Amino acid sequence: AAGVIQSPRHLIKEKRETATLKCYPIPRHDTVYWYQQGPGQDPQFLISFYEKMQSDKGSIPDRFSAQQFSDYHSELNMSSLELGDSALYFCASSLGLGTGYQETQYFGPGTRLLVL
Amino acid sequence: DAKTTQPPSMDCAEGRAANLPCNHSTISGNEYVYWYRQIHSQGPQYIIHGLKNNETNEMASLIITEDRKSSTLILPHATLRDTAVYYCIVPKQTGANNLFFGTGTRLTVIP
Repeated sequence: AAGVIQSPRHLIKEKRETATLKCYPIPRHDTVYWYQQGPGQDPQFLISFYEKMQSDKGSIPDRFSAQQFSDYHSELNMSSLELGDSALYFCASSLGLGTGYQETQYFGPGTRLLVL
Repeated sequence: DAKTTQPPSMDCAEGRAANLPCNHSTISGNEYVYWYRQIHSQGPQYIIHGLKNNETNEMASLIITEDRKSSTLILPHATLRDTAVYYCIVPKQTGANNLFFGTGTRLTVIP
């Protein structure tokens, strides 16, 4: 079965640079979630989108922004990168929040970002 | 999300059943219990979820107490590949369904 695809899988950036992470949800899934996992920490929710609209926001820094496109893929844009942004970034997808029913989230393999 | 409490770590002998407990005493009537696991630095993997009845799939069984204040994830025949951090999560049912990952239980399967 098709899974969530994330690209790139690994990314190295310098401080103050920008980075863009991409997420391609499971086919027919219209909801996308972004999570950040720092070294030795548990995943933390950043932001989610349903039908191209932001549906919820967690502990996402103002330097980060995200959007969901008409084909349901999503991009996480990170600017003015800091050393503390080094982390694993996971994307998850699920069927519509619009159903009003708790739908299972399925996670991608993650993007490992290293800021030097 | 309803608060969940899990033991920080557990060991299990290979081939034996692994029983991972979770307390969720503040769970609401329409909130589900989800279990995910994360094998070192991989994406969290969905295992199973349930509302009030016991559930079983090809990976595990989920036993939920009648009062729904606790549950147990059972891996019937643990293998070395089951070594991972296991998260019990009760997402809020209304609005967005983001997941709150607590500290989870680090399960080590011993040969």
